Amino acid sequence: EDQVTQSPEALRLQEGESSSLNCSYTVSGLRGLFWYRQDPGKGPEFLFTLYSAGEEKEKERLKATLTKKESFLHITAPKPEDSATYLCAVQPSGSARQLTFGSGTQLTVLP
Amino acid sequence: DAMVIQNPRYQVTQFGKPVTLSCSQTLNHNVMYWYQQKSSQAPKLLFHYYDKDFNNEADTPDNFQSRRPNTSFCFLDIRSPGLGDAAMYLCATSRSGQGNSPLHFGNGTRLTVT
Repeated sequence: EDQVTQSPEALRLQEGESSSLNCSYTVSGLRGLFWYRQDPGKGPEFLFTLYSAGEEKEKERLKATLTKKESFLHITAPKPEDSATYLCAVQPSGSARQLTFGSGTQLTVLP
Repeated sequence: DAMVIQNPRYQVTQFGKPVTLSCSQTLNHNVMYWYQQKSSQAPKLLFHYYDKDFNNEADTPDNFQSRRPNTSFCFLDIRSPGLGDAAMYLCATSRSGQGNSPLHFGNGTRLTVT
């Protein structure tokens, strides 16, 4: 059974304090790993897709990396507007449509 | 802007009273999904449509049904809501045939059952 575990469940940072969020996964063959951002009361917003170990993608203050067992979302010099829940999801090989989501990391960046 | 729109944003229903949630999309995506998300939990897939082909998750309760009358619209029907069905319901779309096409989500409908 595919599993996605995100840690920590919640993270509070001071503005400018860099950190990383973790997504550990167990899947029988990885087709893709996705990161989403979810603001309170809204739907998830797509950030990145990673396909293979060693791959990295960046967007503004965010950088996502992937190994064979986990992915990290690095946040460099965060701002209060980066406060949100960050969700990780995996799509297994052989499944064209179904994603397995983690329960997310709730990030709060204090001014 | 092309998008996924869910209505209503907030829905209050009584225990056992049927309710319908709606989703429309202007992205012309052929795959549409319904997810249930409870507080601080992962979104849980209920169904998806690949074009008109309906796919029900094994653990989706029979109380939940869905309709997709055309490419743009999809509905979630809850026949007899229970207190445990209170949640955020998220509609999403994707384009098949493009590898790992990401999901595009609407802003959800928050369902309260009284």
